[in-house]
Amino acid sequence: NAGVTQTPKFRVLKTGQSMTLLCAQDMNHEYMYWYRQDPGMGLRLIHYSVGEGTTAKGEVPDGYNVSRLKKQNFLLGLESAAPSQTSVYFCASSYASAGTPYEQYFGPGTRLTVT
Amino acid sequence: EDKVVQSPLSLVVHEGDTVTLNCSYEVTNFRSLLWYKQEKKAPTFLFMLTSSGIEKKSGRLSSILDKKELFSILNITATQTGDSAVYLCAERDGGATNKLIFGTGTLLAVQP
Repeated sequence: NAGVTQTPKFRVLKTGQSMTLLCAQDMNHEYMYWYRQDPGMGLRLIHYSVGEGTTAKGEVPDGYNVSRLKKQNFLLGLESAAPSQTSVYFCASSYASAGTPYEQYFGPGTRLTVT
Repeated sequence: EDKVVQSPLSLVVHEGDTVTLNCSYEVTNFRSLLWYKQEKKAPTFLFMLTSSGIEKKSGRLSSILDKKELFSILNITATQTGDSAVYLCAERDGGATNKLIFGTGTLLAVQP
């Protein structure tokens, strides 16, 4: 089991460029999440998905789009990168939660710098 | 707006010391509280607490929840340099999405 994997691990973009971050999980989890982590801000939820084909906005969704075409993959897109999107991005996944709380499992992160 | 606050922001101790990390929360529909340890990379799960007064324990780490006073503590006894990390507290809301709201974390440095 690889768990949750993220590609790429590092990326440097120029302002205005676009890119897609890929998250994959092999635990058959229904739910997937994208967070960003900035110094002094903790982890903040960008978008999440409760199943294949469904996505929803989190706390800080502006400037990002997501897609969940396959259950095991969750893509995060930046259409026009801005320096404010310089951050470490974490993907996470968990079992479905019909009343039962489950922990989230995190990927190793992607460090993105926008110049 | 739901909120999770951790204290202290950072802490430096010596090996063998005991530390207590604090997490308080203000939420409208509390479901459970989680603790994670984050070293260089991904946060790794430590504990999930749903009931007041029941201590969860794993080796030298333990945690307890007080739902009346809206806080949790994480204790680490006989600290080791390998305990150096950021400790994150998160609240899981009562919805079906399993979303977590994180605090900013406590940076613990254990010196030899």
